[in-house]
Formats: sequence, C-alpha cells, structure tokens
Amino acid sequence: DAKTTQPPSMDCAEGRAANLPCNHSTISGNEYVYWYRQIHSQGPQYIIHGLKNNETNEMASLIITEDRKSSTLILPHATLRDTAVYYCIADFGNEKLTFGTGTRLTIIP
Amino acid sequence: SAVISQKPSRDICQRGTSLTIQCQVDSQVTMMFWYRQQPGQSLTLIATANQGSEATYESGFVIDKFPISRPNLTFSTLTVSNMSPEDSSIYLCSPRGPDNEQFFGPGTRLTVL
Repeated sequence: DAKTTQPPSMDCAEGRAANLPCNHSTISGNEYVYWYRQIHSQGPQYIIHGLKNNETNEMASLIITEDRKSSTLILPHATLRDTAVYYCIADFGNEKLTFGTGTRLTIIP
Repeated sequence: SAVISQKPSRDICQRGTSLTIQCQVDSQVTMMFWYRQQPGQSLTLIATANQGSEATYESGFVIDKFPISRPNLTFSTLTVSNMSPEDSSIYLCSPRGPDNEQFFGPGTRLTVL
C-alpha cells in the first residue's frame, strides 16, 4: 500500500463543510483511495472510496486530484456526530487495508 | 452495508487463559480480516482469513498465539491464547464485500489482568 499523510488534527464549526486532506504521492495507478472514520470506542466506519473520478455518496464527497497524488474528503454540513478520527488509505482493492494515525476531527458547536 | 456482530463485546480475563472471539456476518464474504487496536493506537492487522485456506499472518503475529478459524463464508473466530496484560486491546473482525467495501465489526474489548 502507498503511504498516506494526514494532518494529526483539525477543527471545524458545526454546519460548515469539513475538508480533510490526504497526501498519497507514491500511489500507483491501480490503487484506490479509501476513507474510514472511527468514532470513540466503535469499529471503523466505511465512508467512501475512489480510483480516479470524484465520488459522492450520502455521507461525503471524495475529490481526487488529476495526478492522484492527493485527495480531499468533504463532509458538506458537519454535525457534532462527525467528531471522529478519519483515516485515508491507499489500497489495491483486493488486499489488506493498512491504517495510519489518521486525522482527529473535532466539530465545534 | 453488512451487518456484523462480535461476541463477546467485552471481557476481563486472567493471564494465562485463552479467549475465543466470534464474528458473524449477515452475508457471504470471501475475505475476512482480523485487527487489533491497542489503547490510544491505530488499527494493526493480525491476519487475513479466507474460507477453505489457512489464515495468513502479519509480521509479529503467529498462529499459535492467535489461531483463526473460518468454517464458512459468514463466520470466523479468533482465539487469543495464553493471554498476558499486553494483549489488552480491542479486537475487530473486518469482512470485505464484493464491491471492495470493507466493513468492521463493533469490536471486542479485552482486558487481561
């Protein structure tokens, strides 16, 4: 798996869009970008994944740069329940997921 | 998304004993992963368990310590053997779905005294 780099922590005001960056400059052409989050004391929750194109689902949007060396997870209207550790992972899609230290996102009322 | 249950949800055990953790998925999955999350740490992969084959262990984890069973496509067990306080962690099973979505169980919180 390619190495990913994320800021250790971020704050975001409630109701605002939360934009979480991830660098994966060594990603290979067939590695996906996955995003998970872990709310305290729970198992990680799958958010979204993508290969080249931007993706959107009911939880979030994933924006991948054209060179695929970085991506941004967007939570469009953050709520207090979005406070969690967010993990960005580069993976081939049929192998194990390797978790880094992630970004601790705190939503501020 | 898959519905995943783990039993027990938590346990407190004495050193030297063993605990078997069960993972049940509501749909058939080919790949099943087992992770450990030590206090304050990120997740670490223990092993990959595919039905019909021996589990593949990551560096630092051995079958004698963490035997795994995968009798069918909806069920798996992880045993933590001869436990010591260093084994106190959250243990999570993680099935991978057909669209490469990987889900996680709620975890088993283990405390070894």
